[in-house]
Amino acid sequence: DQQVKQNSPSLSVQEGRISILNCDYTNSMFDYFLWYKKYPAEGPTFLISISSIKDKNEDGRFTVFLNKSAKHLSLHIVPSQPGDSAVYFCAAINFGNEKLTFGTGTRLTIIP
Amino acid sequence: NAGVTQTPKFRILKIGQSMTLQCAQDMNHNYMYWYRQDPGMGLKLIYYSVGAGITDKGEVPNGYNVSRSTTEDFPLRLELAAPSQTSVYFCASSYSTGGTDTQYFGPGTRLTVL
Repeated sequence: DQQVKQNSPSLSVQEGRISILNCDYTNSMFDYFLWYKKYPAEGPTFLISISSIKDKNEDGRFTVFLNKSAKHLSLHIVPSQPGDSAVYFCAAINFGNEKLTFGTGTRLTIIP
Repeated sequence: NAGVTQTPKFRILKIGQSMTLQCAQDMNHNYMYWYRQDPGMGLKLIYYSVGAGITDKGEVPNGYNVSRSTTEDFPLRLELAAPSQTSVYFCASSYSTGGTDTQYFGPGTRLTVL
């Protein structure tokens, strides 16, 4: 039962344009959502997060949007840069059980 | 700070062999986690620990054991390795609960069981 889904395994975007990565979830009990970025042969690194009481959180070029009624969140990267090429994982947590549930990841490729 | 370190980086095991994946952190974090990542899949939690002497099962604990005798170390033991345990294993740590507090990941151990 995949509670956090990233339906696009890969995405290619021109440098300078906006990258939009999507994530859907099924568990309405999730309280907090995170995005992690992963380069090859490295562990994931935290990128940005959002609480379920908010609908937007911004950090520099990265913005995460949350639509609770649709159980959908998205990560916007603008402008996209070559160093943004990586696999992006969406993750969610229910504070009651302290365990992160990860999506399957989207491989983002920025084309110079 | 070295952060989260994992050894070995790569390992090939034969079916039925056993091994221990080492994980250490130098950030004085209370929480530590073991995940596995299979090709095309997200990370799945194997075991976690909220402090020295306390461990609990995650989503996929079968075939694994853990111990947490110190704050710094959280080894993962594989007994009787099986091909289904071929995966990349990540250790992570955080100061408090992994939701609002960032989890820091090690570089991973790529394990192949033949």
